[in-house]
Amino acid sequence: DADVTQTPRNRITKTGKRIMLECSQTKGHDRMYWYRQDPGLGLRLIYYSFDVKDINKGEISDGYSVSRQAQAKFSLSLESAIPNQTALYFCATSDAGATGELFFGEGSRLTVL
Amino acid sequence: AQTVTQSQPEMSVQEAETVTLSCTYDTSESNYYLFWYKQPPSRQMILVIRQEAYKQQNATENRFSVNFQKAAKSFSLKISDSQLGDTAMYFCAFMKPRAGNQFYFGTGTSLTVIP
Repeated sequence: DADVTQTPRNRITKTGKRIMLECSQTKGHDRMYWYRQDPGLGLRLIYYSFDVKDINKGEISDGYSVSRQAQAKFSLSLESAIPNQTALYFCATSDAGATGELFFGEGSRLTVL
Repeated sequence: AQTVTQSQPEMSVQEAETVTLSCTYDTSESNYYLFWYKQPPSRQMILVIRQEAYKQQNATENRFSVNFQKAAKSFSLKISDSQLGDTAMYFCAFMKPRAGNQFYFGTGTSLTVIP
């Protein structure tokens, strides 16, 4: 089983709908992240969380919200989806140690019609 | 702000040949880490190699090696003996330990290995 699991893997929805992307991890890491990938733009940080009580906005947080339900769970919500939120979304984790490596989920491809 | 630039959107290489992917970055930090991630068609993000800025020795991982030029702020990835499985998007990334290990990614280089 994957250490970082994202659901759903793929989702098609309509403009104005509320969407939640969920992420759970078994790595025991405190730090969790949501990234968005668009062609030609690389990965951009939406939100990040260092622990359950610490949530921070990233580079492109407008139109998104997050919830850290537990150390292992970090969900991303689009309250009212719009077509330019069509993208590949990644959840990632890291520990607070010096290695700093990000461990990624398998991605959630969201299409907003 | 940190920026990471990958100036080669697409590259190709013959199987068994060597290819170098370029990456430059801009920072005022003295302590940082650099990474190359690989994203094959499966879309999974896989760590290829990591370099600590305070280490002068270039990192190597089997067929993958880097040329880290700190003064020039350059971090290129060399893939030797290219294999079909190396076909993927490659992302260069910069991480600063301060402010929570924030990562900054380049826009990626799409590499195709030709049989």
